[in-house]
Amino acid sequence: AQSVTQPDIHITVSEGASLELRCNYSYGATPYLFWYVQSPGQGLQLLLKYFSGDTLVQGIKGFEAEFKRSQSSFNLRKPSVHWSDAAEYFCAVGPNTGGFKTIFGAGTRLFVKA
Amino acid sequence: DVKVTQSSRYLVKRTGEKVFLECVQDMDHENMFWYRQDPGLGLRLIYFSYDVKMKEKGDIPEGYSVSREKKERFSLILESASTNQTSMYLCASSPLRSTHYEQYFGPGTRLTVT
Repeated sequence: AQSVTQPDIHITVSEGASLELRCNYSYGATPYLFWYVQSPGQGLQLLLKYFSGDTLVQGIKGFEAEFKRSQSSFNLRKPSVHWSDAAEYFCAVGPNTGGFKTIFGAGTRLFVKA
Repeated sequence: DVKVTQSSRYLVKRTGEKVFLECVQDMDHENMFWYRQDPGLGLRLIYFSYDVKMKEKGDIPEGYSVSREKKERFSLILESASTNQTSMYLCASSPLRSTHYEQYFGPGTRLTVT
């Protein structure tokens, strides 16, 4: 069965520091992978997605993620965090052959300190 | 831009009341979804619909029903609200023909049942 694990419930980084949020997935085939961000009081917004091809994908707001098949991981990175990046981040695995269900991780809340 | 709107941002209801949560999308998407979001649990799928009058149960359909009479509108119904249904409810939509399956989310409705 598909599953998504985000090992870190919350992370605190200093403004200007680099960021890496971890995501591990379980899926029987090449997955569709997503990162979404949820700012306080808002719905989820797509940051980036991976379907095939280049394993390093670029997203909005300066984020990138790298798909590593051997590690079943899709970690999100940003070289320099801004205070406005404080939010909750969700990794998700989507269907790639029919089906409708997207499986979301439990989320990682990012705190940014000045 | 895709816009998904939800009828209320905050709602307070009493135990036993019938509750309607409305969701409207303006991009002619075939798929619509209702999720429940709870801390530490991520997003859990309640129901989804892939066409007018069509619906499929998600992972936690108990205590909920849905209605899709028009393509742009997807309603979530709590037949008899209970305190354990206090949660954030998120609606989402996606285009059926897309090979990417990313979802577009509304801002959410925070429901409190007392």
